[in-house]
Amino acid sequence: EAGVAQSPRYKIIEKRQSVAFWCNPISGHATLYWYQQILGQGPKLLIQFQNNGVVDDSQLPKDRFSAERLKGVDSTLKIQPAKLEDSAVYLCASSLQGVVGNEQFFGPGTRLTVL
Amino acid sequence: AQKITQTQPGMFVQEKEAVTLDCTYDTSDQSYGLFWYKQPSSGEMIFLIYQGSYDEQNATEGRYSLNFQKARKSANLVISASQLGDSAMYFCAMSSAGNKLTFGGGTRVLVKP
Repeated sequence: EAGVAQSPRYKIIEKRQSVAFWCNPISGHATLYWYQQILGQGPKLLIQFQNNGVVDDSQLPKDRFSAERLKGVDSTLKIQPAKLEDSAVYLCASSLQGVVGNEQFFGPGTRLTVL
Repeated sequence: AQKITQTQPGMFVQEKEAVTLDCTYDTSDQSYGLFWYKQPSSGEMIFLIYQGSYDEQNATEGRYSLNFQKARKSANLVISASQLGDSAMYFCAMSSAGNKLTFGGGTRVLVKP
């Protein structure tokens, strides 16, 4: 069974530029999550999708971050314009359903550096 | 709101010995789950063990066991017979409504030969 795929693995941009990350979850997983992990901290949930609908985006900085999962499969997270504090690893995860206890499977992450 | 606290930023453990990683949590939910993940220097998050709030028995998975004390709101991870490959960051996380994960700050474990 293929795991969660993410691309690119690394990205370096200058502040005020835009960037997009892509995630393909495990086949059949209805729930998809994006987390931001700043160096030295635990991951923080940015947004959760159930199929192609948003379940929770309360911690997404909506003035600069956007995400979509149009066909209920893969997802894109965008930052525009980027700030220095956006430097982090962006982790995508998926689970069968958004039910307490469903194991979340994580992708390898995209490491973003904003200069 | 959910909160996870890991009070040990870093620990050394001798190879082949056991180590306990502390985790306390705060929630007003009745139904929740507690996960432990391992994150090596390569960055991937590896699932280790899970405990549901209604599970009466402590969870075990190979060399990993979870010491769940509901009244004290703690879910400590015990790694027995430590191996050099256990050197990594360890995160405790809570799953609440919608299966959102709230993570603690992590504990870095370094296994000494």
